[in-house]
Amino acid sequence: AQSVAQPEDQVNVAEGNPLTVKCTYSVSGNPYLFWYVQYPNRGLQFLLKYITGDNLVKGSYGFEAEFNKSQTSFHLKKPSALVSDSALYFCAVSPTSYGKLTFGQGTILTVHP
Amino acid sequence: DVKVTQSSRYLVKRTGEKVFLECVQDMDHENMFWYRQDPGLGLRLIYFSYDVKMKEKGDIPEGYSVSREKKERFSLILESASTNQTSMYLCASSWAPGLAGNEQYFGPGTRLTVT
Repeated sequence: AQSVAQPEDQVNVAEGNPLTVKCTYSVSGNPYLFWYVQYPNRGLQFLLKYITGDNLVKGSYGFEAEFNKSQTSFHLKKPSALVSDSALYFCAVSPTSYGKLTFGQGTILTVHP
Repeated sequence: DVKVTQSSRYLVKRTGEKVFLECVQDMDHENMFWYRQDPGLGLRLIYFSYDVKMKEKGDIPEGYSVSREKKERFSLILESASTNQTSMYLCASSWAPGLAGNEQYFGPGTRLTVT
């Protein structure tokens, strides 16, 4: 069975500093990987996905993520954090395009002014 | 822009009541999903549908049923609400083919409280 781990419940970073939100996964075969963000009292919004190809994926709002097959990781990164990036972030994995998505438990990102 | 709407943002029901949660999407998506979101557990898939009148169980279908009579509408039904079904319920939709290859678009959620 597939699974996703987000090892940090909370990440705190100062505005202007780089941020990383960690994600590791377990799945049979090649994964499809996603990051979603949830702002307070809102539904989830898609940020980026890895399907195949370049290991560095660029997404919305200046976010990017690096697929590392040997470490089974897909960490979310941004070079310079904004206060408005403060939200709940979810990593998700599927074994194929026809598989169901499995979500991690979420990481609360707080960016301090 | 894709829009997924849910019938209620907040709902309070009593134990034993039958509860209907409605979801409508306006982008002609084939796939629709119902998740529940609980702190520390992330999102868990309850049911999904890849076509009208088609439904498949997700990871936690017990105590729930669904209905998809029209392509744009996907309903979640709690036959007899219980307190352990107090949660945030999120609806999502996506294009076919594939369930996960295309990103999902989420509604704003319904926070259900069962007393």
